[in-house]
Amino acid sequence: SQTIHQWPATLVQPVGSPLSLECTVEGTSNPNLYWYRQAAGRGLQLLFYSVGIGQISSEVPQNLSASRPQDRQFILSSKKLLLSDSGFYLCACRDGPREKLFFGSGTQLSVL
Amino acid sequence: RKEVEQDPGPFNVPEGATVAFNCTYSNSASQSFFWYRQDCRKEPKLLMSVYSSGNEDGRFTAQLNRASQYISLLIRDSKLSDSATYLCVPEGADSSYKLIFGSGTRLLVRP
Repeated sequence: SQTIHQWPATLVQPVGSPLSLECTVEGTSNPNLYWYRQAAGRGLQLLFYSVGIGQISSEVPQNLSASRPQDRQFILSSKKLLLSDSGFYLCACRDGPREKLFFGSGTQLSVL
Repeated sequence: RKEVEQDPGPFNVPEGATVAFNCTYSNSASQSFFWYRQDCRKEPKLLMSVYSSGNEDGRFTAQLNRASQYISLLIRDSKLSDSATYLCVPEGADSSYKLIFGSGTRLLVRP
């Protein structure tokens, strides 16, 4: 079965600083990978998804970017964080269409 | 119309009660549906998958109404541990890689 590694669990960053969140997956190959963000008390917002190496689809235009340098690695980045980037970031993975989505344990990001 | 809509609640029910939530979706081509449970500050965890008219797993039953484009989740004999937020996500046949979640329905089960 799939295992999703996401770190760190919590992160406090100043406004204007860069960001890099990494997600790695075990137990599957060529998965669909996702980045979601959840603001406090809100629902999950889809940020990016990827169906293969180097293939990234962006759902929300903003100061975040994503990359997939390897089959089971998905990275979320920002050059300059904004206060509004605070939230709970979740990486998710599934084997393909119609398959269940599994989540990593998430990163709670606070931008101050 | 939003792609996925859920009543945010909270639904406040006593232990042992039966409670039902609805999730409406706009994409009539949606083929698969998933219900997730999320505890506070934790990642969502899969509760149930629905690929046809419905699914049942113990105290939990999901039913799909394609004509009215909604899927419901019924919880029987509520337990205190059922307190959580319940998220639904439909998958469209035409854009099956993109998964948009509803904003969730919060359930509080009281003693």
